[in-house]
Amino acid sequence: EVQLVESGGGLVQPGGSLRLSCAASGFTFSSYWMSWVRQAPGKGLEWVANIKEDGSEKYYVDSVKGRFTISRDNAKNSLYLQMNSLRAGDTAVYHCARALLWLGELVSFDYWGQGTLVTVSS
Amino acid sequence: EIVLTQSPATLSLSPGERATLSCRASQSVSSFLAWYQQKPGQAPRLLIYGASNRATGIPARFGGSGSGTDFTLTISSLEPEDFAVYYCQQRSSSITFGQGTRLEIK
Repeated sequence: EVQLVESGGGLVQPGGSLRLSCAASGFTFSSYWMSWVRQAPGKGLEWVANIKEDGSEKYYVDSVKGRFTISRDNAKNSLYLQMNSLRAGDTAVYHCARALLWLGELVSFDYWGQGTLVTVSS
Repeated sequence: EIVLTQSPATLSLSPGERATLSCRASQSVSSFLAWYQQKPGQAPRLLIYGASNRATGIPARFGGSGSGTDFTLTISSLEPEDFAVYYCQQRSSSITFGQGTRLEIK
């Protein structure tokens, strides 16, 4: 059974930093693109970042470029999101998600974790 | 950025009825369109990818259609567990989601 379990969320002041982790199990982690998707309280979904199977390619939504860094450790079956210079607008539940490839393209997310809440507030 | 507009914002139907949800893209996304279901307090669940392909384990009452800019998610006969929020998502240019359609019990 595929499982994705996020951790590391919490309350942080504006300008602060936080590192999220996602522990993966039930599949060959090193064979999949992985992603972070966030959801502000009561709002819709927003894709944040993707990382290739071997970590050689990374992509970000414009609003987090230069502030967030996605990374992975395939030996530990773990995905990470380092978040710096946090803003109130980053407040959200952050979901780890496994990417689905179709016709060779990353097209959607087929498994999701429950998420970890990040609150940016003074 | 490609904007996805979902309609209606809220759909009120009864169990057994047919549901039709729409997603319109601001420019063509070819067939790179997915649909998700999300219930309160739960993670999203992938229903449809590639506009019309059902994800693993998704019941046959869920169907997707469309290409280019206009897409439809159809639930042929609503079950009580189908009442939730539905999101579309494109992957043609970056990745964006629609704002969601809330399917509620009438």
